Amino acid sequence: NAGVTQTPKFRVLKTGQSMTLLCAQDMNHEYMYWYRQDPGMGLRLIHYSVGEGTTAKGEVPDGYNVSRLKKQNFLLGLESAAPSQTSVYFCAGGTGNQPQHFGDGTRLSIL
Amino acid sequence: GENVEQHPSTLSVQEGDSAVIKCTYSDSASNYFPWYKQELGKRPQLIIDIRSNVGEKKDQRIAVTLNKTAKHFSLHITETQPEDSAVYFCAASLTGNQFYFGTGTSLTVIP
Repeated sequence: NAGVTQTPKFRVLKTGQSMTLLCAQDMNHEYMYWYRQDPGMGLRLIHYSVGEGTTAKGEVPDGYNVSRLKKQNFLLGLESAAPSQTSVYFCAGGTGNQPQHFGDGTRLSIL
Repeated sequence: GENVEQHPSTLSVQEGDSAVIKCTYSDSASNYFPWYKQELGKRPQLIIDIRSNVGEKKDQRIAVTLNKTAKHFSLHITETQPEDSAVYFCAASLTGNQFYFGTGTSLTVIP
């Protein structure tokens, strides 16, 4: 009964460090998404995937990379973290190209 | 890209009263309009959606209306309850893969 699971839930990084956020889903969703949520700005799409082995850029892709090697996993990477990437990150999955189920979010702070 | 504006940013109502949240969109090609509810510190949850070939949709105390000519859609919550207190986000889908979210409305239902 896991649904969409994100790890980690919290992380603090120093500027220039790299890290990977993991999103795992057991709902057989074809589509997966990564969003960032900032105060007063709603949810903005970073990258998305329409199936295993595919990825595409969203609204704010700069500074992030993604991979979807397996259908159930969608990874978000920060190559060289910057303070502007401090945010809450949400992963979502969906069938029929809409984000139906979200994870609990990852709160990321870049110092 | 699409531009979604949401009003009001905050809304307080007495328990039992109705609440209305409005969103406008800029691209007439948008054809899917979901609404999400996000309780404090939790994940967004899809609560209702409407497609461009429908003018109104209801689900118990929640309804959504769409005016394609004016390019706006609204969320209506009747007989509000304290558990309706949350942030509500509207979204518009242009291509089907890219969702553009509004900036959110913080609804407080006063007992």
